[in-house]
Amino acid sequence: DQQVKQNSPSLSVQEGRISILNCDYTNSMFDYFLWYKKYPAEGPTFLISISSIKDKNEDGRFTVFLNKSAKHLSLHIVPSQPGDSAVYFCAAYSGNTPLVFGKGTRLSVIA
Amino acid sequence: EAGVAQSPRYKIIEKRQSVAFWCNPISGHATLYWYQQILGQGPKLLIQFQNNGVVDDSQLPKDRFSAERLKGVDSTLKIQPAKLEDSAVYLCASSLVGYSQETQYFGPGTRLLVL
Repeated sequence: DQQVKQNSPSLSVQEGRISILNCDYTNSMFDYFLWYKKYPAEGPTFLISISSIKDKNEDGRFTVFLNKSAKHLSLHIVPSQPGDSAVYFCAAYSGNTPLVFGKGTRLSVIA
Repeated sequence: EAGVAQSPRYKIIEKRQSVAFWCNPISGHATLYWYQQILGQGPKLLIQFQNNGVVDDSQLPKDRFSAERLKGVDSTLKIQPAKLEDSAVYLCASSLVGYSQETQYFGPGTRLLVL
């Protein structure tokens, strides 16, 4: 039972355009959501997070939107840069339960 | 500040052999996590330590996997005997306190191939 779903395995975007990565979840008890970025041969690094009491959180070029009624969140990267090419993981917490990750979306930003 | 260190980076073994991975967390971080990431999947928690005590090992296959964190600092994860399906990247992460929603910092991982 996959509680965090990233249905797009890959995404290609031109440099300077917007990248939108999507994530759906099934567990309504999730109350905190995170995005991690992973380069090849490196561990995931924390990118941005959002609490369930908010619907938007912004950090520079990165914005995460949360739609609780739809159990959906998205990560927007504007403008996209070649260095953003990586695998992006959506993850979620519920109380004190372990962090649950999605399968990831590979973003390719084309110069 | 040094990040999470892991060794070895790569390991190839035959099935039924044993293997051990080592992790040194960020200095001062009380909580340490071991994750298994199978190709095409997201990381899955195997075990969580708070100092040298186990907080959660519900997803650790205890018949073949073991982990310890004897002095509350570095940790080892062992697989004995290994199976083909254990081929994965084993990630170690640490966090300062370990409360829910705290950011976890990951090491580069150990890529294991079981033949």
